[in-house]
Amino acid sequence: QTALTQPASVSGSPGQSIAISCTGTSSDVGGYNSVSWYQQHPGKAPKLMIFEVINRPSGVSARFSGSKSGNTASLTISGLQAEDEADYYCSAYRTTVTPGWVFGGGTKVTVL
Amino acid sequence: QVHLVQSGAEVKKPGASVKVSCKASGYTFTNFGIAWVRQAPGQGLEWVGWISAFNGNRKYAQKVQNRVTMTIDTSTTTSNMELRSLIPDDTAVYYCARGPYEILSAGDFDFDHWGQGTLVTVSS
Repeated sequence: QTALTQPASVSGSPGQSIAISCTGTSSDVGGYNSVSWYQQHPGKAPKLMIFEVINRPSGVSARFSGSKSGNTASLTISGLQAEDEADYYCSAYRTTVTPGWVFGGGTKVTVL
Repeated sequence: QVHLVQSGAEVKKPGASVKVSCKASGYTFTNFGIAWVRQAPGQGLEWVGWISAFNGNRKYAQKVQNRVTMTIDTSTTTSNMELRSLIPDDTAVYYCARGPYEILSAGDFDFDHWGQGTLVTVSS
């Protein structure tokens, strides 16, 4: 299945805000509110950061927020911190052709 | 708290089969499903399949659907994933993750707890 489209890398200085985009189609990102975002540090399992487009699981910092407009979802990290340096993946449920979950290619966030 | 503990690393030859297990604890097993996601070395995440611990419904990624079988054992709160006719491109870390008990009607689509991962290496 064709992956959702994310920028390969995004960087920012400590304290700044950055946004990561995730572009799909009306059958996945633009459909049900099924977009999730995951953070993955090297050698570790992914961690859920945002679910159903805008919701934060308990324990996830309020510096992380999600949004969606049409077929593009976004993850914003405000007040960037060194510990935010990681790979970030979006995911959505695709309802047509070959139903199932699809991930973005991943975005490497670098804190300068 | 929720824990998903996976079986250990495997090394297999092309054409062989591998079975990875995922033992869940800390929650009502049948209220959720288990998804399997893999990550090839240096690559991104790829969804492999999902099975409901509620009713055994399952859905597999088209890429592996003819070679994969996922099962649920509610008595041991364990999910197993078997992948057959292995090829070198199957080399990856395989993760299990807690997911919805049903697709669409459950209203949620996220994987909120993950296992530690199991490295499967396919090499001659």
